[in-house]
Amino acid sequence: QVQLQESGPGLVKPSETLSLTCTVSGGSISSGSYFWGWIRQPPGKGLEWIGTFYHTGSTYYNTSLKSRVAISGDTSKNQFSLTLSSVTAADTAVYYCARDEGGITIFSWGPGTLVTVSS
Amino acid sequence: EIVLTQSPATLSLSPGERATLSCRASQSVDSYLAWYQQRPGQPPRLLIFDTSHRATGIPARFSGSGSGTDFTLTISSLEPEDFAVYYCLHRLTWPPRYTFGQGTNLQIK
Repeated sequence: QVQLQESGPGLVKPSETLSLTCTVSGGSISSGSYFWGWIRQPPGKGLEWIGTFYHTGSTYYNTSLKSRVAISGDTSKNQFSLTLSSVTAADTAVYYCARDEGGITIFSWGPGTLVTVSS
Repeated sequence: EIVLTQSPATLSLSPGERATLSCRASQSVDSYLAWYQQRPGQPPRLLIFDTSHRATGIPARFSGSGSGTDFTLTISSLEPEDFAVYYCLHRLTWPPRYTFGQGTNLQIK
């Protein structure tokens, strides 16, 4: 059974870059059967898709965040990462990494990590 | 861009009652609609995918129906652990893009 775990700083200053990593166990990010993504949830609010990574290196981003987001994978560590630049308080959220299976939908989620943007 | 609208925003019911949650799409999403349950402090949990298929380990009291633009999640008889927030999700086949509804908060009456 796949497990995903987010890691990274819990506090980021405004205008700086948020960087998170998702470590995957029980499944390979090199598999063509899955897509790997990031979703966030501001405190007390709903879910927002950020972007998705495929094993070929292809990436797909929410158009509202596209200019600030990058997602990449490291097959040697079985990890994929998120960077979000020029952050503001509006980027404060719980960030989840997740696995989409077979292009159907998201089946598996990490526990999430809270990132606060504040000086 | 597809928009998913969930209703009601809040639903107050008692254990044992039947819950009916709605998700309406701004354009047809065929059958590519999933439902998630989220309890406080936890990540979402997949309940239903492709409109009506229960995910592994999901009790039979959860069922999904619909097609095109109108979808329903039904919980036949509410258990105490079912009181949570529910989200619908559309996954565009290609390119992969994901749209969430804004959620329905199912609370104890």
